[in-house]
Amino acid sequence: EDKVVQSPLSLVVHEGDTVTLNCSYEVTNFRSLLWYKQEKKAPTFLFMLTSSGIEKKSGRLSSILDKKELFSILNITATQTGDSAVYLCAVDTSGGSNYKLTFGKGTLLTVNP
Amino acid sequence: EAQVTQNPRYLITVTGKKLTVTCSQNMNHEYMSWYRQDPGLGLRQIYYSMNVEVTDKGDVPEGYKVSRKEKRNFPLILESPSPNQTSLYFCASRLQGAYEQYFGPGTRLTVT
Repeated sequence: EDKVVQSPLSLVVHEGDTVTLNCSYEVTNFRSLLWYKQEKKAPTFLFMLTSSGIEKKSGRLSSILDKKELFSILNITATQTGDSAVYLCAVDTSGGSNYKLTFGKGTLLTVNP
Repeated sequence: EAQVTQNPRYLITVTGKKLTVTCSQNMNHEYMSWYRQDPGLGLRQIYYSMNVEVTDKGDVPEGYKVSRKEKRNFPLILESPSPNQTSLYFCASRLQGAYEQYFGPGTRLTVT
């Protein structure tokens, strides 16, 4: 059974702090790893990672994948209250005969002013 | 505007009363999927479809049916809803071969 585990499950920080969210996985047919941000509505896409060691960056957010150790991290620097959300990690294991994303339970990030 | 739409957005119903949640996408995506999201359990896949008339079970298919008669639509059917199907439901779609998945706005269902 495919498994995606995120840690921590929740995190409270102050504005300006830097946070690191973790995602580890055990799956049978890795295609890609995706990060989403969810703020009381549908998840919005952040990053897609397929190759180890290549950092993806978007403003204050960055992410990297380690396919040998089977994990990914999402970093947020200089956090703002608008970063408060649930961050979801998903592994795409779609193949020729299936379309499957396995999600972790998410990390609830609260950024206090 | 490229989007996935779901209707209704909110629904309160009673046990046993059949209901359908519609999902439609205007991006000509081959792949479509339904998820439910519950506190502490994350997003779990219910059913998916890889093209017209091609559907298959996800991780939690019990109590649900789907159909894919047209490429743009992928309705979720609850023939006899029960309280344990109270949840937040998301439809999503993706182009074959692509990586990004597009989510609908969600349907909050309460079964009493």
